[in-house]
Amino acid sequence: EVQVVESGGGLVKPGGSLRLSCVASGLTFSGYSMSWVRQAPGKGLEWVSSISSSTSYIYYADSVKGRFTISRDDAKNSLYLQMNSLRAEDTAVYYCARLRLHTSGSQDFDYWGQGTLVTVSS
Amino acid sequence: DIQMTQSPSSLSASVGDRVTITCRASQTISSYLNWYHQKPGKAPKLLIYGASTLQSGVPSRFSGSGSGTDFTLTISSLQPEDFATYYCQQSYSSPFTFGPGTKVDIK
Repeated sequence: EVQVVESGGGLVKPGGSLRLSCVASGLTFSGYSMSWVRQAPGKGLEWVSSISSSTSYIYYADSVKGRFTISRDDAKNSLYLQMNSLRAEDTAVYYCARLRLHTSGSQDFDYWGQGTLVTVSS
Repeated sequence: DIQMTQSPSSLSASVGDRVTITCRASQTISSYLNWYHQKPGKAPKLLIYGASTLQSGVPSRFSGSGSGTDFTLTISSLQPEDFATYYCQQSYSSPFTFGPGTKVDIK
């Protein structure tokens, strides 16, 4: 059975830091890019960051660049997101998702966790 | 960044109805377009990738079409479990952007 489980969310004050974790089981983790996607309360989906299987390629949304850092540990089938200098607008459910690459060049998010809620408020 | 739009933003339909949702990209994205649906409190689920390929395990009543800038998701006969919000997403270039969503609810 495929399981993707995020943790580490919670309430943090503006300017604070938080580290999210994601552990995957029942699916191939190494060899795939992984991503974080977030969803503010009542809003749509926003891609946050992706990391390639080799960690050679790392991408961030402009909204988090310079504040968030994505990393992975394939030995633990784990993905991380270090979030610093948090702002109220970072309040969202953060999803971990596997980014699948097809031979056509198309990519999609094929497995998702259930998300972890980050609330930034004083 | 590539902007994605969807129409309608919401629709009401009955079980058994044929439903069509449209997604438009601000520039050509070839066939690098995916569709997801999301139920309240749940994670998004991949339905269609590469504009028209059905994800494994997804019922055949779902279909996708289009290329370039205009895409369509069709549900041939709406079922009770299909009431959800539907999102398109482009994977042509980073940042991978999503459409604003189309909420499908019960008439």
